[in-house]
Amino acid sequence: AQKITQTQPGMFVQEKEAVTLDCTYDTSDPSYGLFWYKQPSSGEMIFLIYQGSYDQQNATEGRYSLNFQKARKSANLVISASQLGDSAMYFCAMREVNTGGFKTIFGAGTRLFVKA
Amino acid sequence: SQTIHQWPATLVQPVGSPLSLECTVEGTSNPNLYWYRQAAGRGLQLLFYSVGIGQISSEVPQNLSASRPQDRQFILSSKKLLLSDSGFYLCAWTPSGKKNIQYFGAGTRLSVL
Repeated sequence: AQKITQTQPGMFVQEKEAVTLDCTYDTSDPSYGLFWYKQPSSGEMIFLIYQGSYDQQNATEGRYSLNFQKARKSANLVISASQLGDSAMYFCAMREVNTGGFKTIFGAGTRLFVKA
Repeated sequence: SQTIHQWPATLVQPVGSPLSLECTVEGTSNPNLYWYRQAAGRGLQLLFYSVGIGQISSEVPQNLSASRPQDRQFILSSKKLLLSDSGFYLCAWTPSGKKNIQYFGAGTRLSVL
């Protein structure tokens, strides 16, 4: 069964520093996709970055990068040069392509606090 | 461009009353549609998803049901709300055939009292 684990309920980072949010996953499907979403206090879910299981390079989107270590089944999100507006909940999610159909499962989330 | 609309934004309902939350997507055709629920301080739980009109897959047995009467319309319903139905409900969509993106609506905060 597919599973997503985020072990950090909360994280603090100083403004302008980098921070890594951890995510591990479990799947037996060789084809899957990994997502990171940001949820500010308003509640909307904002898509940040995507990594396919067969992608050769780690995904990057502006200040966001995904540290994909397939053998360890980890997909950590790295935010560089943190800004006050980065304070939010962050969710890691996974979709199995072959066995999961169209379903995406989410981790419990990590709350990030950026300090001025 | 594609947009997703979800309403209402906030809803307070008494126990035992019916529920109808609506979600519509514009600017695309044949999207995959999803309903999620998020309990306070928790992750998202997939409730229903649909790959086409009239096609609904349920992930969690519960007091809720979903319908897709039109290609870009997805409705979440209940005949009688329970206290445990309180939460934040999010509608989402994925372009048909695409696996690397999912877009979310603004959500509905439901309080059952």
